[in-house]
Parts: sequence; C-alpha cells; structure tokens
Amino acid sequence: NAGVTQTPKFQVLKTGQSMTLQCAQDMNHNSMYWYRQDPGMGLRLIYYSASEGTTDKGEVPNGYNVSRLNKREFSLRLESAAPSQTSVYFCAISRSENEQFFGPGTRLTVL
Amino acid sequence: EDQVTQSPEALRLQEGESSSLNCSYTVSGLRGLFWYRQDPGKGPEFLFTLYSAGEEKEKERLKATLTKKESFLHITAPKPEDSATYLCAVQAVELKLSFGAGTTVTVRA
Repeated sequence: NAGVTQTPKFQVLKTGQSMTLQCAQDMNHNSMYWYRQDPGMGLRLIYYSASEGTTDKGEVPNGYNVSRLNKREFSLRLESAAPSQTSVYFCAISRSENEQFFGPGTRLTVL
Repeated sequence: EDQVTQSPEALRLQEGESSSLNCSYTVSGLRGLFWYRQDPGKGPEFLFTLYSAGEEKEKERLKATLTKKESFLHITAPKPEDSATYLCAVQAVELKLSFGAGTTVTVRA
C-alpha cells in the first residue's frame, strides 16, 4: 500500500455523529477513489475523482460527501452516520485507466 | 449492469496442490480485467491486468488467463504464503471497476 495513506485506521461512532476519512497520496496520480468493503460483497465504489477539481458519484453514494482538496488529498465525509455505514473503507489511486492502488483501509463501526 | 461472479467462495489446498479460481463476467465492452490479492486486515494489492481474450500474464506461481466471458487465476504448486483472498474486477466504463466478492484461498503446509 505504499504511496496511499488513510487516517484514521479505526473509528467508532454513535448513530448521528459525523466524521471525515482522510486519504493522501504521494504518487502524483490524477484519479482517486473511495470504496467500501462489506463481508460477502465485493468492493463498491462510493465516489471518485478523475482529476483535481472534479468528483463523481459511484455505485453507493447516498449518505456520503467527498472533497478533492488538491491533487494529493481526497476526503470522504459522513454527515450523520448510520449503522448501515459500518464497513471497511478503502481509498485508491490510479493514473487514468490503469490499475488502481489501494490504501490500508479505515475500519469504521457505527453503533 | 456489469456483473462479476467469482467461484469458489473458498478453496482449501494442500501445499503443492495446484488449482484454479474462476471469475465470470458480464459487461458491455470490456476495457480491462484486473486481479488483486488481499491479505487479512490490508488493502488489495494489484497482481495483473488483462485486456483481450487469449491474453495471459504470469507472476511466480500465479498465471491469469482471459476469455470473452471469464478469467482464470491458476495457482501452481502453492505455498502457505499464497493464502489470501483473490479479487477480480472488470472495467467497462472509464475509471470505474466492478469487483467480485472474492475467493479465499487457504494453503496448508
């Protein structure tokens, strides 16, 4: 997972609380992504950013917002957390259509 | 809608016992098929990209192949360190990957 860092590594929230997951890269890739991974399901795309200044919805965007702060950083915000958002969240990066490289993940539990 | 199905869900192998994992897909216009390895508690690690039917890629004990409807990941003479979950993903729309649920491989010494 070299080149992609995620903070925090673990987080426990109560229903209704808000938080921001941070992702940063040092590989100078244009595109950045947020996924969630749940048991028995594949990784599902929440939002992505093709380049600095642009963001687009993925497969499961409801309940989330994102910010592409600059080329290095892409954050994911939960405004009012729900138990259904308990998951492992991964940030990924890529150079256009090439393979995506993933960060180590953030394990989020919403009580 | 893109669909990716991986089988089996779990595979238990004896060290040295070769086997294959399957990834079948339904997409309208394949731009690429990707294989990843994921260890417990870690992010997926890129292994291969395949772009067209008939293409093959190899890395150590792993070989990936692609047809028009499926991909196989062959593990030859596996070792315990090959134990992991293997993920398959397809790209039909620019930048977007659709992942299968994965195959968890356990190799016993």
